[in-house]
Amino acid sequence: RKEVEQDPGPFNVPEGATVAFNCTYSNSASQSFFWYRQDCRKEPKLLMSVYSSGNEDGRFTAQLNRASQYISLLIRDSKLSDSATYLCVVNKDTDKLIFGTGTRLQVFP
Amino acid sequence: EPEVTQTPSHQVTQMGQEVILRCVPISNHLYFYWYRQILGQKVEFLVSFYNNEISEKSEIFDDQFSVERPDGSNFTLKIRSTKLEDSAMYFCATTLRYEQYFGPGTRLTVT
Repeated sequence: RKEVEQDPGPFNVPEGATVAFNCTYSNSASQSFFWYRQDCRKEPKLLMSVYSSGNEDGRFTAQLNRASQYISLLIRDSKLSDSATYLCVVNKDTDKLIFGTGTRLQVFP
Repeated sequence: EPEVTQTPSHQVTQMGQEVILRCVPISNHLYFYWYRQILGQKVEFLVSFYNNEISEKSEIFDDQFSVERPDGSNFTLKIRSTKLEDSAMYFCATTLRYEQYFGPGTRLTVT
């Protein structure tokens, strides 16, 4: 089983739509959780850390379910500039980040 | 967000040659990481470096790889004898408040 699993997509959505990405992780000892976005051939950029109570940053909402080992990202009112690959990332008790393969989002006009 | 620069942006080398990839964090950070991403694949951890020592390394980081911080600011990744399968994007990262921030990467092409 992969350490971090994501649906690769692509998700093709119109501007203004709401889209949700899911991610599961295999190691129950995982401690920290993040969503990064990656544009084509660019570096991963931190979008948001994910907290147990859930957190929101503008149009983005992240949720964590430790019992189900499940993380989600919701994007409301999608913009063309949201088109990217969204990476689910976890780490355990070290600083090593473990990445999912990413979910590709394409927002069209 | 801490700014990390990497040089070169693109390196082409022949199989068997040595390459050195460089990373420079703007601020005076202590924690550094190298990751790589083969085209079309996920980002993979290579090594973490703290206080001038390797703190953790992955199975990928074999004897062909080494890291050092030669002058207190630059952080380098050396591949001693490159193989075709070393072709990838190599990202340096640093930590701020338990979050990792990545440099723009070096694209390494081994021919």
